[in-house]
Amino acid sequence: GAVVSQHPSWVICKSGTSVKIECRSLDFQATTMFWYRQFPKQSLMLMATSNEGSKATYEQGVEKDKFLINHASLTLSTLTVTSAHPEDSSFYICSATRDGSSYEQYFGPGTRLTVT
Amino acid sequence: SQKIEQNSEALNIQEGKTATLTCNYTNYSPAYLQWYRQDPGRGPVFLLLIRENEKEKRKERLKVTFDTTLKQSLFHITASQPADSATYLCALRNSGNTPLVFGKGTRLSVIA
Repeated sequence: GAVVSQHPSWVICKSGTSVKIECRSLDFQATTMFWYRQFPKQSLMLMATSNEGSKATYEQGVEKDKFLINHASLTLSTLTVTSAHPEDSSFYICSATRDGSSYEQYFGPGTRLTVT
Repeated sequence: SQKIEQNSEALNIQEGKTATLTCNYTNYSPAYLQWYRQDPGRGPVFLLLIRENEKEKRKERLKVTFDTTLKQSLFHITASQPADSATYLCALRNSGNTPLVFGKGTRLSVIA
């Protein structure tokens, strides 16, 4: 149990376009989901915390108008990168905690975004 | 400032030996400390969690220690195998549903 999926697994887009990444908890309800970004040979950097039915909380330095997060249900959160630029190219990873248990975070497989 | 340091970026070890990875932190009071494995191009996979009131945790060939006085955790893989080659991430959580904060990881290579 505790499987998190992401779609797409990789995407290439042109500069100036928008890209949506989906994160789903497949076999559990996730009241909280987290979005991370990871550059090559770097650690996972938290971008935002997403709670079902409420606005996401963004980390300092992360533009909320550029990285739109929607957590519409207990099993789905989406991250939309708007007006993407080459510097947004990165590995985006979501994670989720089970409803009622905050001990373990279950991570998705990640989405590789390349902006040309 | 708050820091999580995994002080070996890379570690090479002979198959069959015990690999020991270190995680040090400053200006945190973690309720939990966790270790994850990450393979290239993949998301992290949870391995072990240890609470602030626990000294040691074991799971099969894995062992984690947690010393809140030294502000350090050690992660051991005994009888290491080439399949253990991956990046291992240390992560902290203060309490409740706060997000994990990660170290940069140690890239372990087990040589046959």
